[in-house]
Amino acid sequence: DIQMTQSPSPVSASVGDTVTITCRASQDISNWLGWYQQKPGKAPKLLIHGASNLQSGVPSRFSGSGSGTDFTLTISSLQPEDFATYFCQQANSFPRTFGQGTNLEIK
Amino acid sequence: QVQLQESGPGLVKPSETLSLTCTVSGGSISTFYWNWIRQAPGKGLEWIGHIYYNGNTNYNPSLKSRVTISVDTSKNQFSLKLGSVTAADTAVYYCARGWAEFYFWGQGTLVTVPS
Repeated sequence: DIQMTQSPSPVSASVGDTVTITCRASQDISNWLGWYQQKPGKAPKLLIHGASNLQSGVPSRFSGSGSGTDFTLTISSLQPEDFATYFCQQANSFPRTFGQGTNLEIK
Repeated sequence: QVQLQESGPGLVKPSETLSLTCTVSGGSISTFYWNWIRQAPGKGLEWIGHIYYNGNTNYNPSLKSRVTISVDTSKNQFSLKLGSVTAADTAVYYCARGWAEFYFWGQGTLVTVPS
């Protein structure tokens, strides 16, 4: 299985800050990577697919980059509703696997 | 907009079989891949497996010996059966659509297996 490792966790930030969350795959996954946001008691929501493609309806302050084994999710100008847990997920091979999650907390 | 809704018992006894159904509305199940994903309390996400509308399946090897996913296109539903459950199978179970990334999710249903 491909292991997905996220860092840092948790992340503390303030409204208006820019934060970057990283995700590393244990082997090359090209750009087969998605990012999700999850709020307590809710299902995950897809933010980014194909490592850098913004899902329809997701604010443009979210962006993704990377390829191969190293990926980043950047959230610019943090809004109160952005404080949540973020997961990466590889879609290069089966079984699909997720990172352990990064909790974005209010400083 | 496609919507997914999980249903099934919230409590399953140890050694018995967990059975859940996902009902798809707002679109046909006869395209795309349909997945089951679970999340133990306070933990990360684990992909269980998926099914295509023609019945082709792919399972997580860690659960493969205990999992069956099936589809009923006439009802626009797909289902999960997980056998020989233990307390370690206590989780919120989600159904989701997608082959690579998962674009649409159900709200999730908590299944508890008492220890």
